[in-house]
Amino acid sequence: AQTVTQSQPEMSVQEAETVTLSCTYDTSESNYYLFWYKQPPSRQMILVIRQEAYKQQNATENRFSVNFQKAAKSFSLKISDSQLGDTAMYFCAFIYTGGFKTIFGAGTRLFVKA
Amino acid sequence: SAVISQKPSRDICQRGTSLTIQCQVDSQVTMMFWYRQQPGQSLTLIATANQGSEATYESGFVIDKFPISRPNLTFSTLTVSNMSPEDSSIYLCSVAGVGTGNTGELFFGEGSRLTVL
Repeated sequence: AQTVTQSQPEMSVQEAETVTLSCTYDTSESNYYLFWYKQPPSRQMILVIRQEAYKQQNATENRFSVNFQKAAKSFSLKISDSQLGDTAMYFCAFIYTGGFKTIFGAGTRLFVKA
Repeated sequence: SAVISQKPSRDICQRGTSLTIQCQVDSQVTMMFWYRQQPGQSLTLIATANQGSEATYESGFVIDKFPISRPNLTFSTLTVSNMSPEDSSIYLCSVAGVGTGNTGELFFGEGSRLTVL
């Protein structure tokens, strides 16, 4: 069975600094997608970034980038130039290609301090 | 992308009553998912709702407690029956990416925050 582990329940970062959120996963599948979702205090969950397992190049979306290490089954999220609006719960998630069930990690609560 | 509307956004309910949550999507989707998020916790999948067939429930969730309807490709309801304080949670409706090139991304409604007294 697939599992997703986020070992950092809470983190904080000063505004404008960089922070990295960790995620590891376990699967026997070779084709899958990995995601980072953000859930601000207003509650609606949105996608931050997506990585296809077959792509070696790490995904980047503006200030957000990932470090995808397939062999190590690691998928960390780096947030550069942190902003107050980045304060939220961040969930790492996995779905295998062709599947329909997304597996979520426990989440990391990130506080960005002014 | 998909825009999802959920009603109610929040409610306070009495023990023993039932509440139905509605989920409306702005496009036709095959699968709709219902999640529960207990305070400070991650998302737990309750069931997958397919149009024209019975919902598929995850381990620990049963139809008698969480009946689901899926009358068409843009709408679903989740009922939380015979509520107890342990049912106090946020209930989230979501759909997978629509259109071609679906890459498994989920789109979420704003959630329904239920408090059971």
